[in-house]
Amino acid sequence: DAGVIQSPRHEVTEMGQEVTLRCKPISGHDYLFWYRQTMMRGLELLIYFNNNVPIDDSGMPEDRFSAKMPNASFSTLKIQPSEPRDSAVYFCASSIDRGHPGELFFGEGSRLTVL
Amino acid sequence: GQQVMQIPQYQHVQEGEDFTTYCNSSTTLSNIQWYKQRPGGHPVFLIQLVKSGEVKKQKRLTFQFGEAKKNSSLHITATQTTDVGTYFCAGDGGSQGNLIFGKGTKLSVKP
Repeated sequence: DAGVIQSPRHEVTEMGQEVTLRCKPISGHDYLFWYRQTMMRGLELLIYFNNNVPIDDSGMPEDRFSAKMPNASFSTLKIQPSEPRDSAVYFCASSIDRGHPGELFFGEGSRLTVL
Repeated sequence: GQQVMQIPQYQHVQEGEDFTTYCNSSTTLSNIQWYKQRPGGHPVFLIQLVKSGEVKKQKRLTFQFGEAKKNSSLHITATQTTDVGTYFCAGDGGSQGNLIFGKGTKLSVKP
């Protein structure tokens, strides 16, 4: 079975440009998470969805960040406009609802560099 | 908000030595998970602990969940070079589906 699929794997862009990161969760998983990883702040939860509905977006840094999950098999994380401090690895993860958070299956990540 | 603290931040050991990382939460957890991330890779699930005082073993790895369900530890016996990576604990954030990760412990093993 395919795991969580993220694209692009690497993105280099200039400050002010729009960035869209994509994620396809594992089929049948109820939860989808977006995490950001940096050396300074570690793994930060940005937002998570349950059955395509955003549950908690309190980790989204600011209005420049937005996330959508139009259906069970696709989610996007958009940054507009991008800034150098957004440079990080962005991970998407999915899990099954077991009454409490089940194990997370992470994608390979999207490494974003904003110049 | 809830915080999950992990120590040490780094650990350098000689191959064959033991290694332990500790995880502490500011609030009681319903469960705790452990992940390993190899350099350049993504976090991979190792185990989940749910019960107070629970101890689980996976070959050379021993995981413990504290009696108060506010702390946990991962112990590796006789480290090998394949153990290199960053080990993260993650606890629920109080709302269903929310996992808060510790900053991780980066383990390096000298052959």
